[in-house]
Amino acid sequence: EDQVTQSPEALRLQEGESSSLNCSYTVSGLRGLFWYRQDPGKGPEFLFTLYSAGEEKEKERLKATLTKKESFLHITAPKPEDSATYLCAVQASNRDDKIIFGKGTRLHILP
Amino acid sequence: EPEVTQTPSHQVTQMGQEVILRCVPISNHLYFYWYRQILGQKVEFLVSFYNNEISEKSEIFDDQFSVERPDGSNFTLKIRSTKLEDSAMYFCALRKSSYEQYFGPGTRLTVT
Repeated sequence: EDQVTQSPEALRLQEGESSSLNCSYTVSGLRGLFWYRQDPGKGPEFLFTLYSAGEEKEKERLKATLTKKESFLHITAPKPEDSATYLCAVQASNRDDKIIFGKGTRLHILP
Repeated sequence: EPEVTQTPSHQVTQMGQEVILRCVPISNHLYFYWYRQILGQKVEFLVSFYNNEISEKSEIFDDQFSVERPDGSNFTLKIRSTKLEDSAMYFCALRKSSYEQYFGPGTRLTVT
């Protein structure tokens, strides 16, 4: 069964304190791995797509990396506005388009 | 600017009533999706819709759910007889390029 596990569930950092969020996945053939940001009461906001092991994508203070079993979202020198829930999701190559989400990591950046 | 808007933003209904949730894309798309998120839980896939037909549905998407594209632009999710456990955020999503899906702001459905 396709599965996505994210850790930690919650993370509190001081402003400027860099860290990484983990996403472990089990999927029967990976078509793509996605990272989204979700603010309370809002829809997931697309951040990155990664397609193959070794691939990296960057956007401002965020960098996503991918291996054959997991992905990391690195946050460098975060600011309070980076506080949100970060969702990891996968799409299997032998399926239609559905995306399978993890539970997310709630990130809180203290000023 | 969002790719898709959803109406209403919040719907309160009584158990057993029918509700229709609407998704309005900014521009024309072929692929649409509905997901839901029960408070504090994962975002879950409900159904995908391609070229005016259902292409895949989850086990959650039973006979009480239906989807339509009534006027060629709007995309609707109908729940025929709501249950308490249908209370959730419902998100419409669309696919632009590659396999990326862009989500709308959601409709909060509260069943009392």
